Amino acid sequence: KAGVTQTPRYLIKTRGQQVTLSCSPISGHRSVSWYQQTPGQGLQFLFEYFSETQRNKGNFPGRFSGRQFSNSRSEMNVSTLELGDSALYLCASSPSGLAGGGADTQYFGPGTRLTVL
Amino acid sequence: GNSVTQMEGPVTLSEEAFLTINCTYTATGYPSLFWYVQYPGEGLQLLLKATKADDKGSNKGFEATYRKETTSFHLEKGSVQVSDSAVYFCALPRGNYKLTFGKGTLLTVNP
Repeated sequence: KAGVTQTPRYLIKTRGQQVTLSCSPISGHRSVSWYQQTPGQGLQFLFEYFSETQRNKGNFPGRFSGRQFSNSRSEMNVSTLELGDSALYLCASSPSGLAGGGADTQYFGPGTRLTVL
Repeated sequence: GNSVTQMEGPVTLSEEAFLTINCTYTATGYPSLFWYVQYPGEGLQLLLKATKADDKGSNKGFEATYRKETTSFHLEKGSVQVSDSAVYFCALPRGNYKLTFGKGTLLTVNP
């Protein structure tokens, strides 16, 4: 079974631009989560989608948004890029997502490395 | 909310040495616990997990036991290899539909 794929793998943008990142989950997985990884803040949760609905959102400004399509593929968008948005953006998929202390496992993609100049 | 505290390192070992990376957690109830590994330039890979107290997760020679008495999930390996050099993250669910991670432990294994 193919793993989680993310495109593009690398992106260079300038401040003020916007960017769209794409994630294709493992076949059959309906939950897609996005995380931001930076050296200073570590791994931080952005949002999670299931069946095209956002079920949870992390503490990020409204410039960060996402969506999920009927085939479970997901995109996240960052508008008006800032230097601090430079990070590795990781997508994870799971069959139905973690609820409470649930045992569902998240499988991660290779990430998209975004550099904002 | 649920949280995890992880030994930060960095940890430098010689090949075939014994590895322990400490992880303690604070949680409501008994959530699943995870160890993920990140090799240079890559995303996170699930290393092992445990879904209930006293469970032992194991994979690729790594082991971790879910200990509710000490609220710990320490990662161990009896004999590390150069190829084990990576960053290791302890994680558990926090609220619904998301994981919270430790800060990561950089492991370097020298030949």
